[in-house]
Amino acid sequence: QVQLVQSGPEVKKPGASVKVSCKPSGYTFTDYHMNWFRQAPGQGLKWMGWVGPKRGDTIYAQNFQGRVTMTRDTSTRTFYMELRGLTSGDTAVYYCARDWAYRGFDLWGQGTTVTVSS
Amino acid sequence: DIVLTQSPLSLPVTPGEPASISCRSSQSLLDTTGNNYLHWYLQKPGQSPQLLIHLTSNRASGVPDRFSGSGSGTEYTLKIRRVQAEDVGVYYCMQALQAPYTFGQGTKLDIK
Repeated sequence: QVQLVQSGPEVKKPGASVKVSCKPSGYTFTDYHMNWFRQAPGQGLKWMGWVGPKRGDTIYAQNFQGRVTMTRDTSTRTFYMELRGLTSGDTAVYYCARDWAYRGFDLWGQGTTVTVSS
Repeated sequence: DIVLTQSPLSLPVTPGEPASISCRSSQSLLDTTGNNYLHWYLQKPGQSPQLLIHLTSNRASGVPDRFSGSGSGTEYTLKIRRVQAEDVGVYYCMQALQAPYTFGQGTKLDIK
């Protein structure tokens, strides 16, 4: 079954870091870039960046530069998104999504809720 | 950054009636390959987004043919020929011409 399975919900204190995982199955790990998005409560979707599966190359949205790191582990075939210096404004659902080249994001994870609260 | 503006933001529709959503871009999404890098997504209540239409007018796998997309340059439209109850949710246009990829504000479709 072709799917992306993300890690479970997280509750963090302000200033902490969070690392969300995204594990693909049902397709060849190295065939697709992985993108990350977030959606604050009641808000729209925001693109955060992507990571390439073969070389681990990355592109980050400027809004998250310096605070986010996207990586992949080829041995476990898992992608990761780490966000540091959390504030209440980072409370959101975080999604990974497979990049179907220039044809959009055709496969999405189930989402990981990150709550930042003191 | 490229700004996408959707209208309307709220769309109540009677089942069986058509619906149309507009997406306007702050710059042309047509590139030198002749492709318009505009995609449409639907986020059903409590679910992850799903790809509906890619490159302006191509339905994603499994998407019913009552959904269609059109447009070029800075103006795009998503049409639903006959709305069904299962079509409720928030529709987003998204540009993939250049990073950062950006979304419209979303159009919430619900059933009258």
